[in-house]
Amino acid sequence: DVKVTQSSRYLVKRTGEKVFLECVQDMDHENMFWYRQDPGLGLRLIYFSYDVKMKEKGDIPEGYSVSREKKERFSLILESASTNQTSMYLCASSYRDSSVYEQYFGPGTRLTVT
Amino acid sequence: GDSVTQMEGPVTLSEEAFLTINCTYTATGYPSLFWYVQYPGEGLQLLLKATKADDKGSNKGFEATYRKETTSFHLEKGSVQVSDSAVYFCALSALNNFNKFYFGSGTKLNVKP
Repeated sequence: DVKVTQSSRYLVKRTGEKVFLECVQDMDHENMFWYRQDPGLGLRLIYFSYDVKMKEKGDIPEGYSVSREKKERFSLILESASTNQTSMYLCASSYRDSSVYEQYFGPGTRLTVT
Repeated sequence: GDSVTQMEGPVTLSEEAFLTINCTYTATGYPSLFWYVQYPGEGLQLLLKATKADDKGSNKGFEATYRKETTSFHLEKGSVQVSDSAVYFCALSALNNFNKFYFGSGTKLNVKP
């Protein structure tokens, strides 16, 4: 079974802290994605990566950066956390060269910034 | 650009009622279509999919048919259970733009005993 794992299920950070969210997949997928999910707003894409060291901005990249140094790992970085970044963060992965396969999701990290 | 529109919720049904959640899409090319389900406190998991026109995806009593002529992929279930209470997302993928996925806004389903 494909596994997408995220480093924490719950995280509490203070305003202004630098926050790292880690995601690892074991399916050798080229694509990896970071979304945030807020009530009433569905899933919003923050960044995605289609290869090692390659990234593209999603719909809401402001205040976030990403890093993909290895194929299996995709990190989301909040350079200076703010209270409006309190949210559920979901990581996902998929194949890049075929559209018939689904995107696989991790369990999510619920981040609270105080 | 590519996009997915699904009916707003919440949808509240009694157990054993018939369920329909509408989903329409806009896409260039020939997308694959998916329904995902999210149970409280969890990530999304695939419910069913269809990869070409007229395909029917099915799983756990849920069905959806890929209708190219109406650009739709409506989710149906003949008899819902309390355990089906969750948020349902319609999604498409297409090979333009590195197989990026596009998700609908989600529909929350509440099933009452």
